[in-house]
Amino acid sequence: DSGVTQTPKHLITATGQRVTLRCSPRSGDLSVYWYQQSLDQGLQFLIQYYNGEERAKGNILERFSAQQFPDLHSELNLSSLELGDSALYFCASSAGTGAGGELFFGEGSRLTVL
Amino acid sequence: DQQVKQNSPSLSVQEGRISILNCDYTNSMFDYFLWYKKYPAEGPTFLISISSIKDKNEDGRFTVFLNKSAKHLSLHIVPSQPGDSAVYFCAAMGTSGTYKYIFGTGTRLKVLA
Repeated sequence: DSGVTQTPKHLITATGQRVTLRCSPRSGDLSVYWYQQSLDQGLQFLIQYYNGEERAKGNILERFSAQQFPDLHSELNLSSLELGDSALYFCASSAGTGAGGELFFGEGSRLTVL
Repeated sequence: DQQVKQNSPSLSVQEGRISILNCDYTNSMFDYFLWYKKYPAEGPTFLISISSIKDKNEDGRFTVFLNKSAKHLSLHIVPSQPGDSAVYFCAAMGTSGTYKYIFGTGTRLKVLA
């Protein structure tokens, strides 16, 4: 158990809809990262937050947004969903800003868009 | 642009032999590297890391080698065990940059009993 909690574990929805994925980092970790893993693909970095502020951005679509709340949990919002958004979405946390050190991953949220 | 590449999608090794997983990177700003292991239906778990000030780091059966001039790192598992069968991801980051951890596409290791 990494200590990172992601909900929901599975989600099935239709094209055009909007979903919210939630992540609770390990106790004490200030940084949260979001990654997308599509079929047979690697882990694509989406976005990082540190102590409530956006720290780094990857190839995150404009239809996607995220935030980190004062209690340090984070949410990833995916809107106007398309078939190609079907993927595993992982959240990870780390103690500091991420300048070295390991990431601890949750078990992922599997999104299926029909 | 794939900055971290794992060119072998899969690898099969006999139990007890050495497994060598390779990873190449293109960004010379990367100075910290990690290996993660992922079992089906689980999140990736940290295995071992190496800073660019070293060329080797060892932890039990796992050793990571870094060749900065070639922008290449490898993970050696000796001896390989059936429980090592998983997908292995390498990751890289620049500690003086934007702190993005960039992952490769993974190599599926199968250790045959």
